[in-house]
Amino acid sequence: AQRVTQPEKLLSVFKGAPVELKCNYSYSGSPELFWYVQYSRQRLQLLLRHISRESIKGFTADLNKGETSFHLKKPFAQEEDSAMYYCALSGGVTYGGSQGNLIFGKGTKLSVKP
Amino acid sequence: NAGVTQTPKFQVLKTGQSMTLQCAQDMNHEYMSWYRQDPGMGLRLIHYSVGAGITDQGEVPNGYNVSRSTTEDFPLRLLSAAPSQTSVYFCASSRTRYNSPLHFGNGTRLTVT
Repeated sequence: AQRVTQPEKLLSVFKGAPVELKCNYSYSGSPELFWYVQYSRQRLQLLLRHISRESIKGFTADLNKGETSFHLKKPFAQEEDSAMYYCALSGGVTYGGSQGNLIFGKGTKLSVKP
Repeated sequence: NAGVTQTPKFQVLKTGQSMTLQCAQDMNHEYMSWYRQDPGMGLRLIHYSVGAGITDQGEVPNGYNVSRSTTEDFPLRLLSAAPSQTSVYFCASSRTRYNSPLHFGNGTRLTVT
């Protein structure tokens, strides 16, 4: 079964400190991994996806199939990064059925203090 | 281009009442879905649709119905509201079901007393 685990409910760091939001997944095949972000009073939006291998707002995430992880990292946190972050997984077209839907972790609230 | 539009933004219901949450998208997206967001639970999939006339259940479908008569609209119906359905509901759409980013609506905050 698909499962996404975000072990930290809350992560608090000071401005300028490095940030790592952890995400581990359980899936037997080759998943598609995403990070979504929800800023205060805004809708959820895509931050990045592993297949594009790009950096958005200074954030990067590398898919580690050996450790089944997709941790989100930023070298220097900014106050405007404070938000709720969700890791999400999709089984992709190979598997079809319900596994094509996006499954979310429980989220990590990032608080960046001045 | 409004994206995904949800109405209403807020709603209070009494136990046993029924209501429909509206969702519309203007991006000609094939895939639409409904999630509920609860503290400590993240987002859980209620129902989804891969095209007009095609719907299926997600992780937590009980107490909810959906239909997809057009590509644009995907309403969520609460048949007989219960306090356990107090939540924030998000509608989302994507170009295709697989490997396409989801576009979310602003959410509907529902309270059932």
